Amino acid sequence: DADVTQTPRNRITKTGKRIMLECSQTKGHDRMYWYRQDPGLGLQLIYYSFDVKDINKGEISDGYSVSRQAQAKFSLSLESAIPNQTALYFCATSGTSANYGYTFGSGTRLTVV
Amino acid sequence: QKEVEQNSGPLSVPEGAIASLNCTYSDRGSQSFFWYRQYSGKSPELIMSIYSNGDKEDGRFTAQLNKASQYVSLLIRDSQPSDSATYLCAVRGWGNNRLAFGKGNQVVVIP
Repeated sequence: DADVTQTPRNRITKTGKRIMLECSQTKGHDRMYWYRQDPGLGLQLIYYSFDVKDINKGEISDGYSVSRQAQAKFSLSLESAIPNQTALYFCATSGTSANYGYTFGSGTRLTVV
Repeated sequence: QKEVEQNSGPLSVPEGAIASLNCTYSDRGSQSFFWYRQYSGKSPELIMSIYSNGDKEDGRFTAQLNKASQYVSLLIRDSQPSDSATYLCAVRGWGNNRLAFGKGNQVVVIP
């Protein structure tokens, strides 16, 4: 099994619909992150969480919300999807040591029509 | 000033040549540095990490860090078509435990 699992892998949804992207990790790490990636724009941080009771906004949190249900689970919701939220979404996790990099999930390709 | 900059455009290298990628960062107190490889439509994969000045080699990859000049480089020796990907530089600053990512550099290895 993958260290970081994202579901669904692909999703097409209609404008105005609420959608949830789920992420779970088996690495036992406290820190989890949600990014979106658009062609040519690099990774943009949406939300991050350093432990179950800690939630922080990233660079582009408007229109998104998150829930940290457990150490291993971190979900991202689009409250009312709009076409410019069409992107590739990645979940990542890391340990607390400064020497840890991030481990990314395989991504969710979301299309809003 | 952006935290992490990768300014070079797409890099085309012939198979077997050396690909050289550069990255500069703004936080002088940064303490750890990473290179990720990302194939089109796939997730970033960690390929190198470096924490102290100098070179670190792992197979065909060499990471170079110069904290005084605030840059980190990645060399890919004997480039192969499978090295064709986008390479992301990531930096963890002092006291800020999140990574800052550059936008990436695309490498195309020509057979």
